[in-house]
Amino acid sequence: GENVEQHPSTLSVQEGDSAVIKCTYSDSASNYFPWYKQELGKGPQLIIDIRSNVGEKKDQRIAVTLNKTAKHFSLHITETQPEDSAVYFCAARALGGSTLGRLYFGRGTQLTVWP
Amino acid sequence: EPEVTQTPSHQVTQMGQEVILRCVPISNHLYFYWYRQILGQKVEFLVSFYNNEISEKSEIFDDQFSVERPDGSNFTLKIRSTKLEDSAMYFCASSETMNTEAFFGQGTRLTVV
Repeated sequence: GENVEQHPSTLSVQEGDSAVIKCTYSDSASNYFPWYKQELGKGPQLIIDIRSNVGEKKDQRIAVTLNKTAKHFSLHITETQPEDSAVYFCAARALGGSTLGRLYFGRGTQLTVWP
Repeated sequence: EPEVTQTPSHQVTQMGQEVILRCVPISNHLYFYWYRQILGQKVEFLVSFYNNEISEKSEIFDDQFSVERPDGSNFTLKIRSTKLEDSAMYFCASSETMNTEAFFGQGTRLTVV
């Protein structure tokens, strides 16, 4: 099955700096890569996603890049703010395959943004 | 904004007891999922459910687990005889179609003592 690895496990940055979280996946059938943000006491919330026919996607301060050849994808947060502090999960999924909607998650990255 | 809601937020149970975790998916969603996260480990898929039957289940989802949609709004996960290693955060999720994003509930923390 798919194996998603995520690094780093913890990340501390100063407010205003950029943060980058990286993930790798193993199954070339995966074609959908969402990123979730989990704040304390809440469930994972989708913040951005990318499909394998696209190399990069941006939404305001958040961007995701995908390298299908290397099986890497990354989350970039620019101009970080204290409210960005949370656990971030990457995930992978094979849309349209036999695994109906099953997501494979990375271990998560605890991001702390210091004022 | 529509959301997935789970109850209870925290459940403590004795080993060997049955527990039922409850979820109310988003109303127009057709696909439902359970995931769990043991402390310090990855979020793991348990089961997906569509059209009143299980679509897919992982190797974790053995005979001790079952899911049900008892009415038009609830989706439940039952663990028949809990073990210590069932202690985890359990997340319910739903999606409108098989190929659209999944929305997660806030989770139920299950502690088996």
